[in-house]
Amino acid sequence: QKEVEQDPGPLSVPEGAIVSLNCTYSNSAFQYFMWYRQYSRKGPELLMYTYSSGNKEDGRFTAQVDKSSKYISLFIRDSQPSDSATYLCAMSIYNFNKFYFGSGTKLNVKP
Amino acid sequence: GAVVSQHPSWVICKSGTSVKIECRSLDFQATTMFWYRQFPKQSLMLMATSNEGSKATYEQGVEKDKFLINHASLTLSTLTVTSAHPEDSSFYICSARARVGRENYGYTFGSGTRLTVV
Repeated sequence: QKEVEQDPGPLSVPEGAIVSLNCTYSNSAFQYFMWYRQYSRKGPELLMYTYSSGNKEDGRFTAQVDKSSKYISLFIRDSQPSDSATYLCAMSIYNFNKFYFGSGTKLNVKP
Repeated sequence: GAVVSQHPSWVICKSGTSVKIECRSLDFQATTMFWYRQFPKQSLMLMATSNEGSKATYEQGVEKDKFLINHASLTLSTLTVTSAHPEDSSFYICSARARVGRENYGYTFGSGTRLTVV
């Protein structure tokens, strides 16, 4: 069983839609949860970083962590074509120590 | 913010040759650099962790003699793929934990290197 599971998609939505991206994990020791956006042939860029359970909002992005269910989500409101990318979840036990990545979900926002 | 410059962005080499990939932290000191490889439609797989001035720590299954990592300074880490073979073709990405003064920029990635071995 993989440490982190993520649906690879692709996920195709119309512009303006609310997007929900999810990851599940098996290791209850994970405490730090991150979402990265990766454009084709580029390195990942950090979008959201949360610690333990709860919600965090930053502009159009909201990250949710449910440790009891071992489930994390990233919501994108008012999605834009520029949001089209692969979104990777990542988690670690200690702060910015070894990361475990999901396989990434490819998102396509159609104009 | 913190920037990691990685180059080359892509390289094609012949089987049996060696390829060096460089990662530089441009505006911060990277005491720790992480090297990943990524296959198409797969997640990033950590290959090794390098600390400035010491030997790299390799993940299980990664050949340390094949993937040579050097982290000789606080701003430069290199990955050399020795005697490359077609199965080494992949996307290689470095990452550094960035801290500039009191600002913690977390985990900053380079732009990646696409290696194709023919």
